[in-house]
Amino acid sequence: EDKVVQSPLSLVVHEGDTVTLNCSYEVTNFRSLLWYKQEKKAPTFLFMLTSSGIEKKSGRLSSILDKKELFSILNITATQTGDSAVYLCAVMAGAGSYQLTFGKGTKLSVIP
Amino acid sequence: NAGVTQTPKFRILKIGQSMTLQCTQDMNHNYMYWYRQDPGMGLKLIYYSVGAGITDKGEVPNGYNVSRSTTEDFPLRLELAAPSQTSVYFCASSSLAGVTGELFFGEGSRLTVL
Repeated sequence: EDKVVQSPLSLVVHEGDTVTLNCSYEVTNFRSLLWYKQEKKAPTFLFMLTSSGIEKKSGRLSSILDKKELFSILNITATQTGDSAVYLCAVMAGAGSYQLTFGKGTKLSVIP
Repeated sequence: NAGVTQTPKFRILKIGQSMTLQCTQDMNHNYMYWYRQDPGMGLKLIYYSVGAGITDKGEVPNGYNVSRSTTEDFPLRLELAAPSQTSVYFCASSSLAGVTGELFFGEGSRLTVL
């Protein structure tokens, strides 16, 4: 059974701090790893990673994948209160599979 | 841009009742999915479809049924509702799941079974 584990499950930081969210996985036939941000409602797409060592960046957010050690990290620098959300990691695996396996998410709270 | 639209947003059911959650997308996506999300948990896949007329079970299909008669619509049917089906349900779609994996989600339907 495919497994995606995120840590920590929750995190409280002050504005301006830098945070690192972790995602490890055990899957058969890894294809890609995705990060989503979920505020009050629907998850919204952040990054998709398929290759080891190549950093994806969008503003203050960045992510990298290590396929040898089977994990990914999501970094957020200079956090703002608008970064408060649940961050979900998901893995697509399996030949011909169209399914994403999600982790439980990390709840990030940024306080002023 | 409507994207993925789900209805209803909220519903309370009694045990044993049935209902259908509606999902429509206007992006001409081939792939559509139904997920449920319980508090503190990730999303679990219920059913998915790779095109009109084709559906398949996900991780937690028991107690649900789907159909896909058109590209746009992917309704989820709950038969004989049970308290264990209390959850938030998300419909999602994607254009090329095997290439990008990016899903576009609806805003969710919160279902309570009492």
